[in-house]
Amino acid sequence: SQQGEEDPQALSIQEGENATMNCSYKTSINNLQWYRQNSGRGLVHLILIRSNEREKHSGRLRVTLDTSKKSSSLLITASRAADTASYFCVSGSTLGRLYFGRGTQLTVWP
Amino acid sequence: NAGVTQTPKFQVLKTGQSMTLQCAQDMNHEYMSWYRQDPGMGLRLIHYSVGAGITDQGEVPNGYNVSRSTTEDFPLRLLSAAPSQTSVYFCASSSSGAFEKLFFGSGTQLSVL
Repeated sequence: SQQGEEDPQALSIQEGENATMNCSYKTSINNLQWYRQNSGRGLVHLILIRSNEREKHSGRLRVTLDTSKKSSSLLITASRAADTASYFCVSGSTLGRLYFGRGTQLTVWP
Repeated sequence: NAGVTQTPKFQVLKTGQSMTLQCAQDMNHEYMSWYRQDPGMGLRLIHYSVGAGITDQGEVPNGYNVSRSTTEDFPLRLLSAAPSQTSVYFCASSSSGAFEKLFFGSGTQLSVL
């Protein structure tokens, strides 16, 4: 399988701290997306970065992409308890497929 | 604006039973898809559609059928349920094809006994 993989699998931090999640993928991509999933709910799109972009910001989110290393990172600054969720990277390959990682479970303690 | 609506939210089936998971979207999206999510795994694509009358197989299509008679609806049929189909099923749609922002339904938790 050519799935992406997130690292770490689980992350536990205090409110106010920054959370960094990494993603690696195996094939050439057109873009890479990050989604959030709260327990028992569907996935919600957070941000998309294209293969010709290196960094993108959206509010407290910062995403980087290094196509030479086939990796991406998601940084959530000043985390809040409401950020507690699973975060998935989704790589859109040039061969016409989307690949979901297994997710990072983020827990933010008040 | 309801977005993507899935029904039912929960379902228990006996092995061999058939059922249809419903998915409807009100955003006039051409692209719709079905995924299954199993513990510790990423979402896997079952079937997808790029428009009314057009469907295609994804990564794990066996045991499932789909049809797309309208832009709004994309039902997923389990022909003869098996315990291996116990999973959480998500429907998703997009206005920009498979590679851009997907809108997900809230999921159907299916147990096959």
